[in-house]
Amino acid sequence: ETGVTQTPRHLVMGMTNKKSLKCEQHLGHNAMYWYKQSAKKPLELMFVYNFKEQTENNSVPSRFSPECPNSSHLFLHLHTLQPEDSALYLCASSQDPGDSNQPQHFGDGTRLSIL
Amino acid sequence: GEDVEQSLFLSVREGDSSVINCTYTDSSSTYLYWYKQEPGAGLQLLTYIFSNMDMKQDQRLTVLLNKKDKHLSLRIADTQTGDSAIYFCAEKRNTDKLIFGTGTRLQVFP
Repeated sequence: ETGVTQTPRHLVMGMTNKKSLKCEQHLGHNAMYWYKQSAKKPLELMFVYNFKEQTENNSVPSRFSPECPNSSHLFLHLHTLQPEDSALYLCASSQDPGDSNQPQHFGDGTRLSIL
Repeated sequence: GEDVEQSLFLSVREGDSSVINCTYTDSSSTYLYWYKQEPGAGLQLLTYIFSNMDMKQDQRLTVLLNKKDKHLSLRIADTQTGDSAIYFCAEKRNTDKLIFGTGTRLQVFP
């Protein structure tokens, strides 16, 4: 399924680098999400965007900066990350977050390693 | 607390049934989901159940919900090696917030 596409699939960066993760959804959805998946921890919701507006920031450090230019694209800008930020970053989308009947669809994630 | 709990591992023989269990905490949750994650991939939605239902069947998958005990289970009939993956349950709270369990790693051996 190519509904939610994330690039790059893998990223290795130093702590002083600046990079961006990209997510694109082809499902016509209105809401997009960033999650962090670390080993042995539950999936953590980071940000929610609904109709391009940020509706949730789950106490995420400012070194992670999301951007949602339109309902189909979501970015996560990274700068001065820490080793504990190494994780799989998953993007998801849903039709309408206010409609509980609409499940979230996930991309395959970006595996991020901080050196 | 806020935790959605799952056992970490399950090992079954090919052809047997698998039952993956989950307990959640919020009695006001409206929908409960099961996702599958294969190595190197994202989460794939398998099935979901509305909170006023007790059971939902979809081909080899059967979801049972005990709302009184806040217990959710996923039964996979005739488990195949391709079913080996991590299975996550998730509950939907408020409007768009999904709370995930830690995942159950299912290993299917011949």
